[in-house]
Amino acid sequence: KAGVTQTPRYLIKTRGQQVTLSCSPISGHRSVSWYQQTPGQGLQFLFEYFSETQRNKGNFPGRFSGRQFSNSRSEMNVSTLELGDSALYLCASSSDRGKHTDTQYFGPGTRLTVL
Amino acid sequence: AQKITQTQPGMFVQEKEAVTLDCTYDTSDQSYGLFWYKQPSSGEMIFLIYQGSYDEQNATEGRYSLNFQKARKSANLVISASQLGDSAMYFCAMREAGGGKLIFGQGTELSVKP
Repeated sequence: KAGVTQTPRYLIKTRGQQVTLSCSPISGHRSVSWYQQTPGQGLQFLFEYFSETQRNKGNFPGRFSGRQFSNSRSEMNVSTLELGDSALYLCASSSDRGKHTDTQYFGPGTRLTVL
Repeated sequence: AQKITQTQPGMFVQEKEAVTLDCTYDTSDQSYGLFWYKQPSSGEMIFLIYQGSYDEQNATEGRYSLNFQKARKSANLVISASQLGDSAMYFCAMREAGGGKLIFGQGTELSVKP
């Protein structure tokens, strides 16, 4: 099976702009989660989608949003970019039987730089 | 609140030797899963090994094994016969009952010396 794919891999934006990141999960996986990784804060959970519904949300401002399509592909959007949004954004998918045993498999990430 | 603690920011190991990366966790749940991921400099998080809270046997996956001590709430990763390609960041993570988000530790940077 193909792994989790994320596009684009690298992105440079300026403050105030908005950005959309895309994630295609492993075939058959219905759950997609997004994480932000920065040197200062480490890995932080953004949100999780399952069957086109947001199931969990982390402590991020409303500028961060996401959605999931019927084919389980997911996008996340960040509006009004700030310098502090510079980070590696990781997407993960799981088969999601709704259990703590479900392993999340990660994509290669999108490295966003905000100038 | 659930929390993962990795107390070793950096570790060095000689090639072909074994190394243990420490992880302690805090949760009030009885059902949870513990995961270890490897993150090379390329950035991708690679799943290594999983241990369930009710698993009686320590998990093993090739050169990776998990030293699970439930009473002490620790889940240390043991890498046997280290290879140069093992140099990377290693993250311990936990997922509580009902699924949901992974909580990560701060990571340990492992450097394997030739």
